[in-house]
Amino acid sequence: SQTIHQWPATLVQPVGSPLSLECTVEGTSNPNLYWYRQAAGRGLQLLFYSVGIGQISSEVPQNLSASRPQDRQFILSSKKLLLSDSGFYLCAWSGQSSNYGYTFGSGTRLTVV
Amino acid sequence: KNQVEQSPQSLIILEGKNCTLQCNYTVSPFSNLRWYKQDTGRGPVSLTIMTFSENTKSNGRYTATLDADTKQSSLHITASQLSDSASYICVVSPFSGGYNKLIFGAGTRLAVHP
Repeated sequence: SQTIHQWPATLVQPVGSPLSLECTVEGTSNPNLYWYRQAAGRGLQLLFYSVGIGQISSEVPQNLSASRPQDRQFILSSKKLLLSDSGFYLCAWSGQSSNYGYTFGSGTRLTVV
Repeated sequence: KNQVEQSPQSLIILEGKNCTLQCNYTVSPFSNLRWYKQDTGRGPVSLTIMTFSENTKSNGRYTATLDADTKQSSLHITASQLSDSASYICVVSPFSGGYNKLIFGAGTRLAVHP
């Protein structure tokens, strides 16, 4: 069966420090991968998605970047965190077919201080 | 503009009672509509998924309905349990888009009290 792992679960980082959040998927190949941010009381906002290794699409301009160095690995990064980067970050994967489900990771609570 | 609106924003019910959450959308045409349950501090977990041609889908005590004519969906929870306390998110996938085009509601926060 397919599983998705996301870490760390919580992170407190000072302003100006770098960021690296990692997400990996097991039990499937060539998944579509996504990074979302969830603000309190608001819907999920898509930040990046990837349909293959090295293929990254950005949905909103921001202080963050994403990379996909391996088929089942998706990384969210920042060189210098801002206070406004605080939030709940979710990784998700889906299959290539529209009949596949859309599965989320357990999330990372990022607090920039 | 494609939107998904959920109501109520929050809801408190007593354990054992039933409740219904609403989702109105303006996405047209759409491919499917999903309901997710999200525990505090956790990722959303899929409850149901319905295509535009389906009217109802059940998952245990959770029953989702869809009226494509009025562009409304509801999630009915029967005999609520304390573990049902969570946010419930309605998500609509436009027909023309890939998965990156999913449109999320802001969610309904449900609290079940003993």
